[in-house]
Amino acid sequence: EAGVAQSPRYKIIEKRQSVAFWCNPISGHATLYWYQQILGQGPKLLIQFQNNGVVDDSQLPKDRFSAERLKGVDSTLKIQPAKLEDSAVYLCASSSNQGSSGYTFGSGTRLTVV
Amino acid sequence: GENVEQHPSTLSVQEGDSAVIKCTYSDSASNYFPWYKQELGKRPQLIIDIRSNVGEKKDQRIAVTLNKTAKHFSLHITETQPEDSAVYFCAASSGNNRLAFGKGNQVVVIP
Repeated sequence: EAGVAQSPRYKIIEKRQSVAFWCNPISGHATLYWYQQILGQGPKLLIQFQNNGVVDDSQLPKDRFSAERLKGVDSTLKIQPAKLEDSAVYLCASSSNQGSSGYTFGSGTRLTVV
Repeated sequence: GENVEQHPSTLSVQEGDSAVIKCTYSDSASNYFPWYKQELGKRPQLIIDIRSNVGEKKDQRIAVTLNKTAKHFSLHITETQPEDSAVYFCAASSGNNRLAFGKGNQVVVIP
């Protein structure tokens, strides 16, 4: 099966600019996650979708971050405006069911804010 | 929410020796514990997982043990090889399929 696709792979922007990341999960996976991985740390959950509904966005900085999964398949994560501390790898993951199981991660988007 | 901690942060082992990484978790309701391996610049990849109804699981040179009473679980890698060098993350989930990750352990296998 095809993996989780993410684009772009790399992005460099200036602070206060906007940026968007795209994710296409594994076909049929109902649950989609966005994680932020700062260098030297473990992934931190930003938002979890079940189909096109948000299950958990408690750690999403909603003043600048937004995410959507309108048709329950692809998802976009947006940052507006970006700050220096947003520099990180943004990982998308998907899983097949609501019960506990391993995720499949995408390759991530490495964001550098200068 | 769940808080997962890993120790040690860096582990160096001679090729052929064993490596053990320990994690603790805070939420007694957690029932799923995966381990991920992340090589430099690559995505985290699931290498082994364990559920709360078993105490140990083994897959070739990799094993995971779980102590629910003490709320800790460990990754054991035997006969380490240079390709085992990577960052290893433990995680825990309480059934909502939401994984909380530790900060990671850098394992260095010295040839």
